[in-house]
Amino acid sequence: DAGVIQSPRHEVTEMGQEVTLRCKPISGHDYLFWYRQTMMRGLELLIYFNNNVPIDDSGMPEDRFSAKMPNASFSTLKIQPSEPRDSAVYFCASSFGQRGEQYFGPGTRLTVT
Amino acid sequence: RKEVEQDPGPFNVPEGATVAFNCTYSNSASQSFFWYRQDCRKEPKLLMSVYSSGNEDGRFTAQLNRASQYISLLIRDSKLSDSATYLCVVNGGSSNTGKLIFGQGTTLQVKP
Repeated sequence: DAGVIQSPRHEVTEMGQEVTLRCKPISGHDYLFWYRQTMMRGLELLIYFNNNVPIDDSGMPEDRFSAKMPNASFSTLKIQPSEPRDSAVYFCASSFGQRGEQYFGPGTRLTVT
Repeated sequence: RKEVEQDPGPFNVPEGATVAFNCTYSNSASQSFFWYRQDCRKEPKLLMSVYSSGNEDGRFTAQLNRASQYISLLIRDSKLSDSATYLCVVNGGSSNTGKLIFGQGTTLQVKP
């Protein structure tokens, strides 16, 4: 099993640019989660999906952030426009069932200058 | 008050030592509890779930005290490879069991 796949692994962009992060969950998993990790705030849940439907987006910081899951094998997290304070590691995770173990991808390290 | 609180450490211990980490959570409706491990610049990985009766997995023992809203992790005979950050994790309560809330983590450094 390839595990959760994220791309890109590193992204450096300038303030104001659009950033798109991608995630492929483990095949057969019905829950997908997007997290952000910073030194100051730790690991925070941004949004999660069940069967491609967003369930809880209360962690999305503001309207600049959006997430989609067009099918069971693909999700995107978009930031438009990006700001320096968005710099963080963004993790995608998936699970089978609401209480199943969450498997994390390797993360995307985003730097906004 | 943070929803999940941990002592950030670092805990510096010699090989073979026993070390304990503690964690408190604020939502009394939380139903699921976990310890995750995160190595430097890596993703978090599930170490073990925590059950009401307490549970053990090799050198690792987890305990839950619902009345005090307190979770612990005990590591016996620590190894160099145990060096990592340990994250206390609880679910978001009975109405949002899919949502996991992570503590800031406790850093452990095991020295030869």
